[in-house]
Amino acid sequence: NAGVTQTPKFQVLKTGQSMTLQCAQDMNHEYMSWYRQDPGMGLRLIHYSVGAGITDQGEVPNGYNVSRSTTEDFPLRLLSAAPSQTSVYFCASTGQGLREQYFGPGTRLTVT
Amino acid sequence: AQSVTQLGSHVSVSEGALVLLRCNYSSSVPPYLFWYVQYPNQGLQLLLKYTSAATLVKGINGFEAEFKKSETSFHLTKPSAHMSDAAEYFCAVSVTNTGNQFYFGTGTSLTVIP
Repeated sequence: NAGVTQTPKFQVLKTGQSMTLQCAQDMNHEYMSWYRQDPGMGLRLIHYSVGAGITDQGEVPNGYNVSRSTTEDFPLRLLSAAPSQTSVYFCASTGQGLREQYFGPGTRLTVT
Repeated sequence: AQSVTQLGSHVSVSEGALVLLRCNYSSSVPPYLFWYVQYPNQGLQLLLKYTSAATLVKGINGFEAEFKKSETSFHLTKPSAHMSDAAEYFCAVSVTNTGNQFYFGTGTSLTVIP
């Protein structure tokens, strides 16, 4: 099992550019989520999904889109990057009843 | 609403000393509680979890935490700090009525002084 994988590890964008952060898990988990981590603010939930075809907003969804066409994949799209989106992004997954979240290694994004 | 408060954004201890990282939670229903550790430039790794079984939970690397309902606390301890324990520690709560949503504290950075 690879667990939760994220690509790319690092990315630099210019303001206004769009991009997609990839996340995949091979544990057949129903629940997946995206967080951003900023100094002094812990992890904040951006979007989450409770299964294929079902997504919902978290605490800080503005400027981000998600979709969940398969159980395995949960990409995060930045529509028009802004410097305020400079952060480290983590994807996580949880299986039904397991309660524990498994985290990917993160993507460090810088928007200039 | 659910929330987590971690007292002390930075904690320093001497090597061999007791480690105590504080976590208080707010939840209207019985919670599941977690401690995660993050080493520099890495993702989060589960240290231990409380899921309504024993109130004293033992985790990896010699860490343990005690769930105290009356104090709404879930403090993390380790009897003797090691240099390799230097990392960021996050407390998190998950409750059954929010599916699998997790709520994280703002983290505590642990420094171990040789």
